[in-house]
Amino acid sequence: DTEVTQTPKHLVMGMTNKKSLKCEQHMGHRAMYWYKQKAKKPPELMFVYSYEKLSINESVPSRFSPECPNSSLLNLHLHALQPEDSALYLCASSRPSGGLRDTQYFGPGTRLTVL
Amino acid sequence: GESVGLHLPTLSVQEGDNSIINCAYSNSASDYFIWYKQESGKGPQFIIDIRSNMDKRQGQRVTVLLNKTVKHLSLQIAATQPGDSAVYFCADYAGGTSYGKLTFGQGTILTVHP
Repeated sequence: DTEVTQTPKHLVMGMTNKKSLKCEQHMGHRAMYWYKQKAKKPPELMFVYSYEKLSINESVPSRFSPECPNSSLLNLHLHALQPEDSALYLCASSRPSGGLRDTQYFGPGTRLTVL
Repeated sequence: GESVGLHLPTLSVQEGDNSIINCAYSNSASDYFIWYKQESGKGPQFIIDIRSNMDKRQGQRVTVLLNKTVKHLSLQIAATQPGDSAVYFCADYAGGTSYGKLTFGQGTILTVHP
């Protein structure tokens, strides 16, 4: 099973709203990722969690706040977003292997629209 | 900075033809490469990967070739089908950084005509 699930599939929010995106995997992976993808562009890394600890933050604005409550769950809390934050938000997971690289498996994404 | 990129942004083929999607990379320290397929409205789907100690790897109807001398990667799809129509991304792990940082190329749009 290589499934990563994300909810909701679509989200429309105003600039003053607070919302959260959720990601879940049951593959036993201990690395989880958030990516942002604009239309006709490749995914761009936002955050990496390794063993439930934040290991990479790609200088993402503080209006995006990640959280990893346990090894299967990853959240992205959104607050005071801007219209330019509208994008497809992708979650991925992988099995960290020390110094080796591992395949990242992606979820279907959450299509976010900020009005 | 160093990055992974693609030669052709679009590729149009007839059903049954073989397709070749190319990717150039500039980071000589890159040691692991992945091809993803992304259909409209979906997340990237893993197709095949290759490590730098190999020059060829085959999957079901797909083959990835790695030429480290010229820093070139290609994805070959045999007997292309309409269901193969998608955006294809090559990606690599930036050498010298932590394992989590996967960098994507710009993508190639593959369109398969029946």
